[in-house]
Amino acid sequence: EAQVTQNPRYLITVTGKKLTVTCSQNMNHEYMSWYRQDPGLGLRQIYYSMNVEVTDKGDVPEGYKVSRKEKRNFPLILESPSPNQTSLYFCASRTPHRDRPYEQYFGPGTRLTVT
Amino acid sequence: QKEVEQNSGPLSVPEGAIASLNCTYSDRVSQSFFWYRQYSGKSPELIMSIYSNGDKEDGRFTAQLNKASQYVSLLIRDSQPSDSATYLCATVRYGNKLVFGAGTILRVKS
Repeated sequence: EAQVTQNPRYLITVTGKKLTVTCSQNMNHEYMSWYRQDPGLGLRQIYYSMNVEVTDKGDVPEGYKVSRKEKRNFPLILESPSPNQTSLYFCASRTPHRDRPYEQYFGPGTRLTVT
Repeated sequence: QKEVEQNSGPLSVPEGAIASLNCTYSDRVSQSFFWYRQYSGKSPELIMSIYSNGDKEDGRFTAQLNKASQYVSLLIRDSQPSDSATYLCATVRYGNKLVFGAGTILRVKS
């Protein structure tokens, strides 16, 4: 089954304690992204990766890091989480835009609370 | 101005009616448009994509694109309570990024 998986699904942590949210896809997609979703603001892209070892900032990258050492995995790292990073996070992967139909698959989401 | 704008709603329609969801975008060069459905607490799911002016139908869903007026809409015929969700409009920005609107909440009353 084609899917994007994320772990953990729920996480409560304290300010400053480093954490990693893992993301993995089994569709051999080159393009992967991380989004955060906040009420009234919709989905905002944090970082994206166009292929292994190729990453770039999205719209809200401050306070986050990513890496892409393997095609299937794209972890999101919060080196020093702060309460304003409390949010719902989604990982996504997709086919290149040149390929149609153009489909982006989302992971199930990680609800992060930073106290 | 936001790149993709949607009325946040909620839009309430009775069961069996047509629900009409609208979206406007600011980038004139946008070529690809998508509608995602998101149930509460779940991840977005792609339900329609449209790339050229006009209508595209898929079951009870019809997407309409008007590039001259820079709007895209989604019609849901014979609305069902199970259609109650948040509907996200998205387009591909220059640089190959998907940009989302904040979403419209749809409530279908039985």
